[in-house]
Amino acid sequence: DAKTTQPNSMESNEEEPVHLPCNHSTISGTDYIHWYRQLPSQGPEYVIHGLTSNVNNRMASLAIAEDRKSSTLILHRATLRDAAVYYCILSSSGGSNYKLTFGKGTLLTVNP
Amino acid sequence: NAGVTQTPKFQVLKTGQSMTLQCAQDMNHEYMSWYRQDPGMGLRLIHYSVGAGITDQGEVPNGYNVSRSTTEDFPLRLLSAAPSQTSVYFCASSYLRGEQFFGPGTRLTVL
Repeated sequence: DAKTTQPNSMESNEEEPVHLPCNHSTISGTDYIHWYRQLPSQGPEYVIHGLTSNVNNRMASLAIAEDRKSSTLILHRATLRDAAVYYCILSSSGGSNYKLTFGKGTLLTVNP
Repeated sequence: NAGVTQTPKFQVLKTGQSMTLQCAQDMNHEYMSWYRQDPGMGLRLIHYSVGAGITDQGEVPNGYNVSRSTTEDFPLRLLSAAPSQTSVYFCASSYLRGEQFFGPGTRLTVL
């Protein structure tokens, strides 16, 4: 399965934008890019996913490089509730999102 | 809609004991899975199911059994608990091409 590389940790200030990077240089043409986050003592929750084009939803935006070897999750205005571990994951079964392989993710700290 | 529910929330076992972790979902999702998360690590897939009567192994299946007799339920059985199985266990469900919904987790300690 294709792997992803994320920074171990990042820090942001409240109400500022946050750009969380993810490298996936061995991504295949049918792999979707998924982002999940895990708040302290909770199960992961879905944030966003995409294939080739940039995606927006109420939680975040996903910017995908033209060669698809990297992507960036954008939180437009960080809040204290956004402090979590963020996982960048590639799906291993074409368009299906099961069998997700979680790495260690990026621990985002949000300062008041 | 209760979403994905897991019971119990906490469990302490002695080495060699067996138990079943329960997982249920009320969203009529085809896909269900079990993950374990060790301290400071990401989640690792134990077993998964793409529908009633169909199960398959994930990354770390040894020591665990699953069955899927109904769409709603996906229990995880520990056959003979070992200290290495001390972990937080998460159940998840989804449509085959949809986002995964995770339960709140079961914190298991094996002494």
